[in-house]
Amino acid sequence: DGGITQSPKYLFRKEGQNVTLSCEQNLNHDAMYWYRQDPGQGLRLIYYSQIVNDFQKGDIAEGYSVSREKKESFPLTVTSAQKNPTAFYLCASSTRASLAHNEQFFGPGTRLTVL
Amino acid sequence: QQPVQSPQAVILREGEDAVINCSSSKALYSVHWYRQKHGEAPVFLMILLKGGEQKGHDKISASFNEKKQQSSLYLTASQLSYSGTYFCGTGTNYGGATNKLIFGTGTLLAVQP
Repeated sequence: DGGITQSPKYLFRKEGQNVTLSCEQNLNHDAMYWYRQDPGQGLRLIYYSQIVNDFQKGDIAEGYSVSREKKESFPLTVTSAQKNPTAFYLCASSTRASLAHNEQFFGPGTRLTVL
Repeated sequence: QQPVQSPQAVILREGEDAVINCSSSKALYSVHWYRQKHGEAPVFLMILLKGGEQKGHDKISASFNEKKQQSSLYLTASQLSYSGTYFCGTGTNYGGATNKLIFGTGTLLAVQP
């Protein structure tokens, strides 16, 4: 079955440690996105990538980094510079970069807790 | 600027109707609607485009008022499965393309038997 997978579902880390969240899609989609979700704040865009080897900062990129070396993979690293990393992280993809006609498909999410 | 959704929460009985609104302070090119159940991924419902084009769910309708920079989602004859949090995502046109969305804070809908 085609879809987006995120692993792990739950992740615990100590403060000051970097952590990488995995996102893989087998939908052959060009564009991929990372969102952060906090209670009462909806979805906020961290980074997005329209094509392999290219990505852009979203609205809250500070303290995060990404790579897009393969079309199907878009890992997110939460660095120690992110002041409040505990959140629910959602990865998404779309057929094309333009969202005017293309919906986003979301993965199941990773809940990160920093202790 | 994050779009504003109203109401923040609504409780319905099965069979009742509801309207969820999404307003933006910016000129809009497109509006997406998604529904998210607790702890799960958001699921696509509809896209509405400037000019009237729509794409999406057969049983859900929506409107897009370009002048007022707002969209409304209409849920009629609600079912228990409609429960969840509804998000609008607004897209503006950057150099001819809408390549990112800004999401509202969500509307929590609870449908009771």
